[in-house]
Amino acid sequence: DTGVSQNPRHKITKRGQNVTFRCDPISEHNRLYWYRQTLGQGPEFLTYFQNEAQLEKSRLLSDRFSAERPKGSFSTLEIQRTEQGDSAMYLCASSLARPPGELFFGEGSRLTVL
Amino acid sequence: AQKVTQAQTEISVVEKEDVTLDCVYETRDTTYYLFWYKQPPSGELVFLIRRNSFDEQNEISGRYSWNFQKSTSSFNFTITASQVVDSAVYFCALRDPGSARQLTFGSGTQLTVLP
Repeated sequence: DTGVSQNPRHKITKRGQNVTFRCDPISEHNRLYWYRQTLGQGPEFLTYFQNEAQLEKSRLLSDRFSAERPKGSFSTLEIQRTEQGDSAMYLCASSLARPPGELFFGEGSRLTVL
Repeated sequence: AQKVTQAQTEISVVEKEDVTLDCVYETRDTTYYLFWYKQPPSGELVFLIRRNSFDEQNEISGRYSWNFQKSTSSFNFTITASQVVDSAVYFCALRDPGSARQLTFGSGTQLTVLP
């Protein structure tokens, strides 16, 4: 399968713990995105990488959130000192520069903070 | 700032009925892209269509058709002869030059097609 892969698919943690999600994009895609989706809502943009450079960050991405894409391939999203409000589905997507906006999404990593 | 509104939270139809999903958007830009994505129960969003703001031609792809009307800022999606496999959440999204690399999604419409 050469689609976007996300791990773990589901993470349950206690408030205050740190969690890390990993995304493996489609290999030839140089653009990688993180979105967050809560129940009954559409995905909300968190951050965007072009190769290894993090070019955009949403105001939703508080200081407790950090994302990396060290070699321009896989990416990690870390949440420190988790809060109950962080409970959501974290979606990763990748794309080429063209055609614009045609994102390929993974199945997401669901975070539950108790 | 851009905004996408999908007023229909849930729609239920019986198989073979036609169904239209509404999308209204707001943007200050004259150049932008509109999209529809499908999210089946598995959770993976799937790209369906992209429309450039300069191209108001309606598009048909099999049982799917899209009606883009710039005058009313709407980009509606019609499924003809719906099938059970069409059951999913459908999202309309907008990308404008101001947010060059991100999409703004609506809140989605849950479509249930009953056999």
